[in-house]
Amino acid sequence: AQSVAQPEDQVNVAEGNPLTVKCTYSVSGNPYLFWYVQYPNRGLQFLLKYITGDNLVKGSYGFEAEFNKSQTSFHLKKPSALVSDSALYFCAVRWSGTYKYIFGTGTRLKVLA
Amino acid sequence: DTGVSQDPRHKITKRGQNVTFRCDPISEHNRLYWYRQTLGQGPEFLTYFQNEAQLEKSRLLSDRFSAERPKGSFSTLEIQRTEQGDSAMYLCASSASYEQYFGPGTRLTVT
Repeated sequence: AQSVAQPEDQVNVAEGNPLTVKCTYSVSGNPYLFWYVQYPNRGLQFLLKYITGDNLVKGSYGFEAEFNKSQTSFHLKKPSALVSDSALYFCAVRWSGTYKYIFGTGTRLKVLA
Repeated sequence: DTGVSQDPRHKITKRGQNVTFRCDPISEHNRLYWYRQTLGQGPEFLTYFQNEAQLEKSRLLSDRFSAERPKGSFSTLEIQRTEQGDSAMYLCASSASYEQYFGPGTRLTVT
């Protein structure tokens, strides 16, 4: 069965430190991978995507993610965290031959001043 | 660009009643999605439209759920004979390519 996993419910990081939010997936066919962010009382916002090509993708607000096919992972990273990055982050996957997206359960990122 | 809008934002209904939600996508987007999200979970795919055609529907969707996109613009999601388990946030998203743009959602409470 197709699935996506975010193994950490919450990640705490000090402001200025690098952050990583983990995502792994299991799909048949080529994966299309996405990160979305949800701020309190606001809708989900697109951050970045991997469709094909360079494994390192850059997105909004200084975030980046690396597609690792052998480890079936797509971890979200940022070199220097800001307090304003505190939010709920969702990883999502779609695969070739379908229009359906599967979202992870979300990881709450808390950046401490 | 006014973004994706959904109406109503909140709906409280009694068990057994029918409810209908509306989604207005970004005007140039031909792809439209409906999702359901419960507390502590990510959005769960319900159905997908490309223009007016419903191309994909979740097997989890019972016969009580139906969606339409009659002219390839706005879409409606109807739930018949609501049950308490239908209480959730219903999200609409539109897309021109791979990334989706989400609306604020309709929060349904079934009492």
